[in-house]
Amino acid sequence: GQQVMQIPQYQHVQEGEDFTTYCNSSTTLSNIQWYKQRPGGHPVFLIQLVKSGEVKKQKRLTFQFGEAKKNSSLHITATQTTDVGTYFCAEVKRGSSNTGKLIFGQGTTLQVKP
Amino acid sequence: NAGVTQTPKFQVLKTGQSMTLQCAQDMNHEYMSWYRQDPGMGLRLIHYSVGAGITDQGEVPNGYNVSRSTTEDFPLRLLSAAPSQTSVYFCASRRTVNTGELFFGEGSRLTVL
Repeated sequence: GQQVMQIPQYQHVQEGEDFTTYCNSSTTLSNIQWYKQRPGGHPVFLIQLVKSGEVKKQKRLTFQFGEAKKNSSLHITATQTTDVGTYFCAEVKRGSSNTGKLIFGQGTTLQVKP
Repeated sequence: NAGVTQTPKFQVLKTGQSMTLQCAQDMNHEYMSWYRQDPGMGLRLIHYSVGAGITDQGEVPNGYNVSRSTTEDFPLRLLSAAPSQTSVYFCASRRTVNTGELFFGEGSRLTVL
């Protein structure tokens, strides 16, 4: 079954509002990645976080890795209609580092009302 | 570079039929993988490969076979299709085994009647 939990599953926001999705694991992660999938498209890599407490920004997107490396978040400031899509976190667990097995969360689907 | 190429994009099968989804990458990536995507289930790993001649099972391997005879190609075989295998299938690769971004193909939508 799924080993990384992502919440919420769906989020509807008004354009200009902020949005956050959370990814939680029961075990310590080697690193975590975030992907975006536009409707009808394929997932596209956004970022990878490796260090405990790491924070990275890409324009209006802020990614954070928890201090214990068991959770992560993606925050979008002032959403735009171009942000519509499903956001996935993906994890490589400690102990799996020599297999590269990447397990995805269920995803959060973001709808933005103009 | 074409990146990751999947064929076919769409396929309809009858229960019990077999078929192969093709995946090729021209980036000399070590790692290749297959995922299926179903509503509300996210992306689930079927099989993956860390190099030519090496494959391993993911989260949902039953009903699927893979092989990796070359670095470039990683076909996914459905031995006897079932309606439960109706899904969108994505092939993905990355340069190294342990880290780095996954590059996805455009997906193959399979319907099993």
